[in-house]
Amino acid sequence: DIQMTQSPASLSASVGETVTITCRASENIYSYLAWYQQKQGKSPQLLVYNAKTLAEGVPSRFSGSGSGTQFSLKINSLQPEDFGSYYCQHHYGTPPTFGGGTKLEIK
Amino acid sequence: QVQLKQSGPGLVQPSQSLSITCTVSGFSLTSYGVHWVRLSPGKSLEWLGVIWRGGSTDYNAAFMSRLSITKDNSKSQVFFKMNSLQADDTAIYYCAKGYGNHFWYFDVWGAGTTVTVSS
Repeated sequence: DIQMTQSPASLSASVGETVTITCRASENIYSYLAWYQQKQGKSPQLLVYNAKTLAEGVPSRFSGSGSGTQFSLKINSLQPEDFGSYYCQHHYGTPPTFGGGTKLEIK
Repeated sequence: QVQLKQSGPGLVQPSQSLSITCTVSGFSLTSYGVHWVRLSPGKSLEWLGVIWRGGSTDYNAAFMSRLSITKDNSKSQVFFKMNSLQADDTAIYYCAKGYGNHFWYFDVWGAGTTVTVSS
């Protein structure tokens, strides 16, 4: 199985700041990478797929980049509703696997 | 509006089986695959398996021997069954719609079924 490694595991930031979360795949997954946001007590929501394509309704302050084995999710000008957990997931076939998650907290 | 509504027990005895029904609306099971993913305490998300629009399935090899996913297209229902549950199967179990048929990412998720394995 492809291993997905996310960093950092936790992150503290203030409203208005810009943050970046990184994800590394154990082998080449081309651009087959998705990002999800999960708020406490809620189900995950798709943010990005194919490494850089924003899902419907996702604000433009979110952006994804990368290819191969190195990927990142950038959030510009953090808003209060952006705090929660973020997961990367490869979608290069079976089984799709997830990173360990990044918990984004308010400073 | 696309929705996935889950129903199932919250408490399962060790060695017993877990059954969850995912009832979908706003899309047809003959057009999209439905996946199952779980989130265990202190762990990350884990993909369990999928039933494709044609009825074929793919399972995570780690669970293949004790997992079954079936569906009834006419009732818009997907049925998840996992056997021989142990304490480390305690988790929130989600059904999720595939972005398209044979797509391995998920654009709409159910609310989750919180399952505790305990005697």
